[in-house]
Amino acid sequence: DGGITQSPKYLFRKEGQNVTLSCEQNLNHDAMYWYRQDPGQGLRLIYYSQIVNDFQKGDIAEGYSVSREKKESFPLTVTSAQKNPTAFYLCASSFNGLAGSTDTQYFGPGTRLTVL
Amino acid sequence: QQPVQSPQAVILREGEDAVINCSSSKALYSVHWYRQKHGEAPVFLMILLKGGEQKGHEKISASFNEKKQQSSLYLTASQLSYSGTYFCGTENAGNQFYFGTGTSLTVIP
Repeated sequence: DGGITQSPKYLFRKEGQNVTLSCEQNLNHDAMYWYRQDPGQGLRLIYYSQIVNDFQKGDIAEGYSVSREKKESFPLTVTSAQKNPTAFYLCASSFNGLAGSTDTQYFGPGTRLTVL
Repeated sequence: QQPVQSPQAVILREGEDAVINCSSSKALYSVHWYRQKHGEAPVFLMILLKGGEQKGHEKISASFNEKKQQSSLYLTASQLSYSGTYFCGTENAGNQFYFGTGTSLTVIP
């Protein structure tokens, strides 16, 4: 079955530690995205990538880093520089992410990160 | 640049209708609608393109007013399964995509 997987589902981290969230897709999509969701709020874009080895900052990229070495994978690292990292993190992918397309985003199940 | 949704929350009884609005300050190319159940990932409902017609899916339909930079989602004869948070996503001519603030919909028996 095609889809997007994120791991782990729940993650606990001590303050000052970096942590990496996994996102894998087998939909053969070119574009991948990372969003952050806080309680009662919408989805805010952290980073996105339209092609391997290329990615762009979203609205709240500070304190986060990504890599896109393979088409299928788009891991997100939450660094110690992120002041308030506790949130629900969603990864998504779409066919090509190009403007004017009928691209829709398919989401993974999410990772809930809690900083202790 | 994040589109604004209204209302923020709504409670319905089964069988009642609801309208969720999404407004943007930018000219839009397309509007996407998603529904998210609590603790789950958002699921795509429909997309409306500039110049496109009103879309529908069973008892859930949507319209897109390009001139007003607005879209509305219509839920008729609501069912318990409609409960969740509804998000619009807007794409503008600069290839920027933003999700709206979300509308929490609760359907009670």
